[in-house]
Amino acid sequence: RKEVEQDPGPFNVPEGATVAFNCTYSNSASQSFFWYRQDCRKEPKLLMSVYSSGNEDGRFTAQLNRASQYISLLIRDSKLSDSATYLCVVNAGGTSYGKLTFGQGTILTVHP
Amino acid sequence: NAGVMQNPRHLVRRRGQEARLRCSPMKGHSHVYWYRQLPEEGLKFMVYLQKENIIDESGMPKERFSAEFPKEGPSILRIQQVVRGDSAAYFCASSPTGIQAEQYFGPGTRLTVT
Repeated sequence: RKEVEQDPGPFNVPEGATVAFNCTYSNSASQSFFWYRQDCRKEPKLLMSVYSSGNEDGRFTAQLNRASQYISLLIRDSKLSDSATYLCVVNAGGTSYGKLTFGQGTILTVHP
Repeated sequence: NAGVMQNPRHLVRRRGQEARLRCSPMKGHSHVYWYRQLPEEGLKFMVYLQKENIIDESGMPKERFSAEFPKEGPSILRIQQVVRGDSAAYFCASSPTGIQAEQYFGPGTRLTVT
C-alpha cells in the first residue's frame, strides 16, 4: 500500500464548478498534513495546511479525519488558473518529522 | 523577502562526472530539505539538514550522493560519478523550524545526464 494515495484523476471541470479531491495516508504517526499544487513540473507551492478542525482559505476548504486517515480538498467556483496538479502531502512523524511524503498528485483541468 | 534559491537551474553532465547543486534557504530559515522528482514520478524525500548537521538522510542513495549545509554559505547536494538514472529535477525546500513546519520549495535544478 502506498504511504499517500490520491484520486487518480484527471479531473476536467468547467469554470465555476465545485471539485473535491480525496487522499488517504497509511502512517498513523503523521503529525502534519498539507495540500500543495504543482504547475507543469515547476516547484510545488504550498496551498494550505490541513488541521483536524478543518480550515478554509477563500474558495478552498480542507478537512482531516485522523481516525480514518483521510484528507480532502474542496475547490469552489473553479477558475482557469486552478488548473494544476494537486499534491496531498503528509509528514512522516516520529523521528522522521522533517520528511514529507507526497502523493502522486491529481491533475485538474478547468476549461471555459 | 527572497524565496528559496537554487542554482544552477539546469545542469548537463556526462556519465561519470560530478554534479553540485546549490540551495540557499529563505531568510530566517535554518532547516533545509532536498527532494528528487524522477520523470513521471512524484517527489521523494532525500535528506534533511540544519546548519552543520544532517538530521535525516534516510532517503539518500547509499553511494555517490552526499549533502552538506555549512555554517556559512548554501546547502550543497553532491552527486559523484553520475549515471543516466540520476537525471531528474532536484528540489530544495526550507522551513523556519523543523517539527510540523511548512516547507517552501525552490525552483529546482533539472539535471540531465548524457
